[in-house]
Amino acid sequence: DTAVSQTPKYLVTQMGNDKSIKCEQNLGHDTMYWYKQDSKKFLKIMFSYNNKELIINETVPNRFSPKSPDKAHLNLHINSLELGDSAVYFCASSLTSGASTDTQYFGPGTRLTVL
Amino acid sequence: RKEVEQDPGPFNVPEGATVAFNCTYSNSASQSFFWYRQDCRKEPKLLMSVYSSGNEDGRFTAQLNRASQYISLLIRDSKLSDSATYLCVVNRGGGGNKLTFGTGTQLKVEL
Repeated sequence: DTAVSQTPKYLVTQMGNDKSIKCEQNLGHDTMYWYKQDSKKFLKIMFSYNNKELIINETVPNRFSPKSPDKAHLNLHINSLELGDSAVYFCASSLTSGASTDTQYFGPGTRLTVL
Repeated sequence: RKEVEQDPGPFNVPEGATVAFNCTYSNSASQSFFWYRQDCRKEPKLLMSVYSSGNEDGRFTAQLNRASQYISLLIRDSKLSDSATYLCVVNRGGGGNKLTFGTGTQLKVEL
């Protein structure tokens, strides 16, 4: 059973389009995250949700809008895609948001290419 | 200055070698420390947490020096399967469980 799953695995699209990436975790965790890993392999947090509420927003352009319909799902919608959005997007989850020792479990990633 | 700094490598070592990776972090209020491993085109996975007293997991030993804001990872008896990128990760605490990643150190273990 996959603990943290993401769809799609690959996404190739034209500049200016709008696209969504979906994430689901079956670990019963309260907290979910979106990370971006750029072409230089630098992994940086974008958003964090705890039990459907936004708790971290790392000055990401407002073209990126996360949505959490329930605590097991965190989706990422991106409007007006730009070339610089090309990256691998990882979803992750952890048991809570309050314990700094909680392990974060990552999904397999979605490789987004904007042409 | 980056919040978490690592030597990007690559470190090319023969099988059986001992290799050490170092990492420094800039925020003295950081609360938790980890090493994650990332294989090519895969997701990061927790390798081990790092404690001030030092901790060991099989061939892997991690150390934290809070005074120097320095974290290390030692791999003994390297295996081909250890080839990966090792990410130094810091949690600043303060709610939100926000992880800050270093850029990673690439290890290649060769025959």
